[in-house]
Amino acid sequence: DTAVSQTPKYLVTQMGNDKSIKCEQNLGHDTMYWYKQDSKKFLKIMFSYNNKELIINETVPNRFSPKSPDKAHLNLHINSLELGDSAVYFCASSQDESRTLNSPLHFGNGTRLTVT
Amino acid sequence: EDKVVQSPLSLVVHEGDTVTLNCSYEVTNFRSLLWYKQEKKAPTFLFMLTSSGIEKKSGRLSSILDKKELFSILNITATQTGDSAVYLCAVGRWYNFNKFYFGSGTKLNVKP
Repeated sequence: DTAVSQTPKYLVTQMGNDKSIKCEQNLGHDTMYWYKQDSKKFLKIMFSYNNKELIINETVPNRFSPKSPDKAHLNLHINSLELGDSAVYFCASSQDESRTLNSPLHFGNGTRLTVT
Repeated sequence: EDKVVQSPLSLVVHEGDTVTLNCSYEVTNFRSLLWYKQEKKAPTFLFMLTSSGIEKKSGRLSSILDKKELFSILNITATQTGDSAVYLCAVGRWYNFNKFYFGSGTKLNVKP
């Protein structure tokens, strides 16, 4: 009965490879996000989708491409992986009754990506 | 530039102690401040504060916001080893599609 689940938990890969991380939420939320957490624990937003529409697209290399097939899923594809991409990637969701208000994020357990 | 700063960066206490964690912010069009607890995996939501001076409480944890001085504190009384975690503060803005700015966290270690 996991609320926000992402796979895989760990991803170890070599520079130059392409990889994907999948995320699913069963909370019925309208909005999903990808956050990146670096080694200093800073959580920084990368993307946000509301009902399959991209609404936040931070300054992220275009090697990162999100895809939302439906409002319960948000996947992240990364091309040509670099050493600096190593981090923990968190998927999150929230119920947005209004775009003017804030509602708490519900996070998945993270995917630890290590690029060698 | 929008900024969220947490202090201290880390803290070591013994069980039974009371701790106060700080979060100060400089964010335009401030709307809300959230506290999260992160153990090994997902950050879990603790509190959302939108109004100054109103304390939110959950068991041994409480938090309050001061919108004039632009900060919030998270208090934990009678700490237990299970309180050991990184505590994250995040700030949201009006009309900003629920985009939050996170601090780097305070790492709390509660020793038996």
